[in-house]
Amino acid sequence: QQQVKQSPQSLIVQKGGISIINCAYENTAFDYFPWYQQFPGKGPALLIAIRPDVSEKKEGRFTISFNKSAKQFSLHIMDSQPGDSATYFCAGSSASKIIFGSGTRLSIRP
Amino acid sequence: DAGITQSPRHKVTETGTPVTLRCHQTENHRYMYWYRQDPGHGLRLIHYSYGVKDTDKGEVSDGYSVSRSKTEDFLLTLESATSSQTSVYFCAISELTREYEQYFGPGTRLTVT
Repeated sequence: QQQVKQSPQSLIVQKGGISIINCAYENTAFDYFPWYQQFPGKGPALLIAIRPDVSEKKEGRFTISFNKSAKQFSLHIMDSQPGDSATYFCAGSSASKIIFGSGTRLSIRP
Repeated sequence: DAGITQSPRHKVTETGTPVTLRCHQTENHRYMYWYRQDPGHGLRLIHYSYGVKDTDKGEVSDGYSVSRSKTEDFLLTLESATSSQTSVYFCAISELTREYEQYFGPGTRLTVT
């Protein structure tokens, strides 16, 4: 049972553009929605996270937008840079466990 | 990688053989997790531990067992490896107060021929 659906599977953005990755969830028991970033050959690392009672969270060029009524959330990367090229995973967290989306491979063209 | 090591980093084994992967942490974190990562599936939880000798199943636990006899070590065993268990395996740790923040190890690439 896939509880977090992520799209698109892959994304190509020009340098300086805005990268947008979307996720939808089913489990209303999730109490945090983290985003993880993974570079090739490395383990994932937490990028940014949001609670369901907050509609937006911004850290530098990274912003999470959260729509609780629609059970959807998204990651926006402003002024995308080649160093942002990585795989991004959205997730839902509850009861000490995380359920990950299937991932988005982001490529930033110079 | 936040004081997490995995061994071995790469392993090739034959179908039907037992395999044990080790995760070692130096952070004294309470929770430890084993995931497998496959294209198109993201990261899927195999088993996790919430303390010494306290473990529970994840979403893809069939064919896997785990043990945690010390806070710092979490072992994943494939009793009889199958080709469908070819994957990259990640160990992760987290603390009680920030469960959504997991720190991942470098991964083990396992190939079952």
